[in-house]
Amino acid sequence: KQEVTQIPAALSVPEGENLVLNCSFTDSAIYNLQWFRQDPGKGLTSLLLIQSSQREQTSGRLNASLDKSSGRSTLYIAASQPGDSATYLCAVRDDNDMRFGAGTRLTVKP
Amino acid sequence: GAGVSQTPSNKVTEKGKYVELRCDPISGHTALYWYRQSLGQGPEFLIYFQGTGAADDSGLPNDRFFAVRPEGSVSTLKIQRTERGDSAVYLCASSLDEGDWTEAFFGQGTRLTVV
Repeated sequence: KQEVTQIPAALSVPEGENLVLNCSFTDSAIYNLQWFRQDPGKGLTSLLLIQSSQREQTSGRLNASLDKSSGRSTLYIAASQPGDSATYLCAVRDDNDMRFGAGTRLTVKP
Repeated sequence: GAGVSQTPSNKVTEKGKYVELRCDPISGHTALYWYRQSLGQGPEFLIYFQGTGAADDSGLPNDRFFAVRPEGSVSTLKIQRTERGDSAVYLCASSLDEGDWTEAFFGQGTRLTVV
């Protein structure tokens, strides 16, 4: 069974700082990896999807990388803003299903 | 529809009662997932459908939980003899699963409270 781990569990940074969130998974035979954002009391919003054949995806200030062989993905957020405060979740899709990590709760202080 | 729709958005039920939670996926999406999320936790996988069939139901916690998707579109998650520990937000997601179009989209969830 695929297991997904996210480190750190929580992160607090001052506004403007660049930061990296980490996601690791145990089985490298994945179909894709997706990063989501979740605001308190809300559903999940898709940020970036990386197919298994890809190494990275970019959207605005976000860049996600994938190293399938080592079972790792990172989400890089440039020039963080208070509006980036949320919980960030990674999800790994394989032939069976899609499994989530517990998330990283990010706080960006003005 | 424009997005994944879940109804009801909130459900309060008494311990021991039966509840049904509904998910309307994005039109044409073949894959459908159910998750359960407790406060401060990541989504916990329950069941995954490809079309009408449950491709993986290994996440259903016990036989009180059951889900169907009879026509390959709308899905219903059914919980019998509800317990207070079933209180959580139940999330549904769908994806197209054609070529590179495998991005999953989530509904806003159903908050279930068992009293």
